[in-house]
Amino acid sequence: EVQLVESGGGVVQPGESLRLSCVASGFSLGSYWMQWVRQVPGQGPMWVSRIQSAGGYTTYADSVKGRFTVSGDSAKNTMYLQMNSLRVEDTAVYYCARAAVGGGDALDVWGRGTMVTVAS
Amino acid sequence: DIVMTQSPLSLSVTPGEAASISCRSSESLVYSNGYNYLDWYLQKPGQPPQLLIYLGSNRASGVPDRFSGTGSGTDFTLKISGVEAEDVGVYYCMQAVETPLTFGGGTKVEI
Repeated sequence: EVQLVESGGGVVQPGESLRLSCVASGFSLGSYWMQWVRQVPGQGPMWVSRIQSAGGYTTYADSVKGRFTVSGDSAKNTMYLQMNSLRVEDTAVYYCARAAVGGGDALDVWGRGTMVTVAS
Repeated sequence: DIVMTQSPLSLSVTPGEAASISCRSSESLVYSNGYNYLDWYLQKPGQPPQLLIYLGSNRASGVPDRFSGTGSGTDFTLKISGVEAEDVGVYYCMQAVETPLTFGGGTKVEI
């Protein structure tokens, strides 16, 4: 079964760091563009970052550039999001998602998300 | 960034009725290959978004044929030919023609 499972969320103070993980099963993560998307409860989703780990390509939203780093480990079939210098406005549910091949980057598989709360 | 604008904000329908959601983009979503990089998602309560329609008009695997997507360029529409109780949730359009990928504000569909 094709599946994504996120972990690593929690409650931190402003300025602290967290590392999120996204474990893929049923497919090879490195063969796809993989995304991080976040959503503040009650609001619409917001794209955060993406990676094509086989080629080492990464892209970030301006709001997280320089603070967040996306990476992949093909041996563990896992994607990571290292989040540094966290701000209150980074509070959200963080989802990982797979961009479909041949689907114009449509996000065809999503994890259930992990909650990140940044509060003092 | 490309701005995605959805209407209406909410929709209350009777089972069996048709429903239509509009999505407009601030720039053309036609990619260099001629396809419209516009997708539709449904987010049911407590769940992540699920893909319904990709490349403007293609139903994702397992999506009932009562869902259809039309449009090109900057104007797109999602139609549900006969709403069922399981279709409640928030519908989002998303452009994937360039990063940052951007979503519409959502349309809440209630029965």
